[in-house]
Amino acid sequence: QSVLTQPPSVSGAPGQRITISCTGSSSNFGAVYDVHWYQQLPGTAPKLLIYGYSNRPSGVPDRFSGSKSGTSASLAITGLQAEDEADYYCQSYDSSLSTYVFGTGTEVTVL
Amino acid sequence: QITLKESGPTLVKPTQTLTLTCTFSGFSLSTSGVGVGWIRQPPGKALDFLALIYWNDDKRYSPSLKSRLTITKDTSKNQVVLIMTNMDPVDTATYYCAHRLGSTYFSYWGQGTRVTVSS
Repeated sequence: QSVLTQPPSVSGAPGQRITISCTGSSSNFGAVYDVHWYQQLPGTAPKLLIYGYSNRPSGVPDRFSGSKSGTSASLAITGLQAEDEADYYCQSYDSSLSTYVFGTGTEVTVL
Repeated sequence: QITLKESGPTLVKPTQTLTLTCTFSGFSLSTSGVGVGWIRQPPGKALDFLALIYWNDDKRYSPSLKSRLTITKDTSKNQVVLIMTNMDPVDTATYYCAHRLGSTYFSYWGQGTRVTVSS
């Protein structure tokens, strides 16, 4: 089950800025739990992209940034590149379910 | 360097029990704050959390699958095992194991193992 909602797809031209939203509730990142983001390139395993709303692991370009507002979070990609074509997932922990939860996923297409 | 690798059968029959093993290196599951989880992804669909075991043997399960799942660890072998009973064709998916440290995110993932459920 996906308790975090994302748009199915987002597209943009090279060089553009796009944002992907992730809507949760008061029992996950509306509470005390962080939101994290993963990038999944075609045919590969997911890779941690952003953790704790806005932190980038070593090696992740600063074109990727995250933010949170209330029970929504966003991933922004600036200076969109062809290599950014992938699926993106948000993830958190849900206190009412007592489990980890993923978003519905967003496919990013570079036009 | 942290690595994880999933292993198990590629094909199981409906009603059978699936046993998957995650073998990892570069960290210890006896270290405070460490966890190893299982996440699956049906073809063309989203990631779906299954289970996680912590260094202190505490466990978390997907509520909808809890009755069918068992997660265990063997710290001496650096392995985590996931057992899923009563397999159904809808359980066809790529199954990933992943490392969790401290917070609620998965910092390293295995390459995944594809499991098909078919008679």
